[in-house]
Amino acid sequence: GAGVSQSPRYKVAKRGQDVALRCDPISGHVSLFWYQQALGQGPEFLTYFQNEAQLDKSGLPSDRFFAERPEGSVSTLKIQRTQQEDSAVYLCASSSDPWPYNEQFFGPGTRLTVL
Amino acid sequence: DQQVKQNSPSLSVQEGRISILNCDYTNSMFDYFLWYKKYPAEGPTFLISISSIKDKNEDGRFTVFLNKSAKHLSLHIVPSQPGDSAVYFCAASYTGNQFYFGTGTSLTVIP
Repeated sequence: GAGVSQSPRYKVAKRGQDVALRCDPISGHVSLFWYQQALGQGPEFLTYFQNEAQLDKSGLPSDRFFAERPEGSVSTLKIQRTQQEDSAVYLCASSSDPWPYNEQFFGPGTRLTVL
Repeated sequence: DQQVKQNSPSLSVQEGRISILNCDYTNSMFDYFLWYKKYPAEGPTFLISISSIKDKNEDGRFTVFLNKSAKHLSLHIVPSQPGDSAVYFCAASYTGNQFYFGTGTSLTVIP
């Protein structure tokens, strides 16, 4: 398929474990976004990349959260020492060029449950 | 602090009738607004958008209205179809990249 893919789709972690969530954007898409969606809430912005450059990380809730996109395509969101409040669906989105207000195409998300 | 609010968590409408989904925002700097549609186990998909220089944008059965003085936007679906049953999120931005989402309204269209 040509859409945004995310893996794993489901992840269960024990409190204190580190997790890594992967996003494969649509091929050629320059911009990549990560969102956190808690149960019953809308998606909340975490961070934004333009190619390999992380231009905005103002939404990352703590220094336990880290995102990278080293080659400007695949991105990984890493959460260290997971806490129960990190349980949420993590959504990745990509858009075709760096201009503002472009449509963002979302992946299906990774549902993280921290026990 | 929730800058974009959808105060109706759910809405049921008969097939063929109009669905009206509402959204309120607090930040007067927002200049671009979108509606997304989400089916279970899928990511949100873009539906329609509007710039703050307009008060109406129409795309087929979907129309978005923006009332800047009231800081309110609405999505009208006419006529509603069973396939429209989904969760609808409104979102707003003033940077073009960081979008603020509402909590969603679950629409059920009854055949």
